[in-house]
Amino acid sequence: SAVISQKPSRDICQRGTSLTIQCQVDSQVTMMFWYRQQPGQSLTLIATANQGSEATYESGFVIDKFPISRPNLTFSTLTVSNMSPEDSSIYLCSVVMWGSGNTIYFGEGSWLTVV
Amino acid sequence: SQELEQSPQSLIVQEGKNLTINCTSSKTLYGLYWYKQKYGEGLIFLMMLQKGGEEKSHEKITAKLDEKKQQSSLHITASQPSHAGIYLCGADGGAGGTSYGKLTFGQGTILTVHP
Repeated sequence: SAVISQKPSRDICQRGTSLTIQCQVDSQVTMMFWYRQQPGQSLTLIATANQGSEATYESGFVIDKFPISRPNLTFSTLTVSNMSPEDSSIYLCSVVMWGSGNTIYFGEGSWLTVV
Repeated sequence: SQELEQSPQSLIVQEGKNLTINCTSSKTLYGLYWYKQKYGEGLIFLMMLQKGGEEKSHEKITAKLDEKKQQSSLHITASQPSHAGIYLCGADGGAGGTSYGKLTFGQGTILTVHP
């Protein structure tokens, strides 16, 4: 299994500001992903953040709004830029753990409220 | 693109009762994941199914994948208040390629267990 920590766990942000979310894994992983979960909704994939390559974004998400860094195999950050109330969501990172039955684990989530 | 339909959307049961949550895919499933989420928090991995007809159990929770790999069910036996939460099924993007590890989620099932 994997222990995935996210910071912050919760935050209230002012409109127009930016916030960086951290994702720390207790073991080295190649594949890491960032998701958004808007209020009352299911999860939507934002981007793939594999170490050694540029992040790749899903349709509807752009690098200027959600820049991602992946400096090593245990850490990644997602920045939510120029926030608006529509960005109020839970942001989650996930990793693929290879082994007998590859498993996808999620972090604890970062709940952002934009006011 | 793959779509997942979960049913029911919400479920209220009395403690001790059995219940089943279903997840139906528009395409053949490569890998099907079940997660539990408490309100405002991250996803807790429950089980992953990959083979047609596969069945896995953990404590009082059993998950099955049908032979055609298009439908999965999650069954809870003798439910307890600790089972309450949101249950999400997620479909893996597929073997290899650029879609592996990317999950498409159902809309979730909200489970309430009354003591």
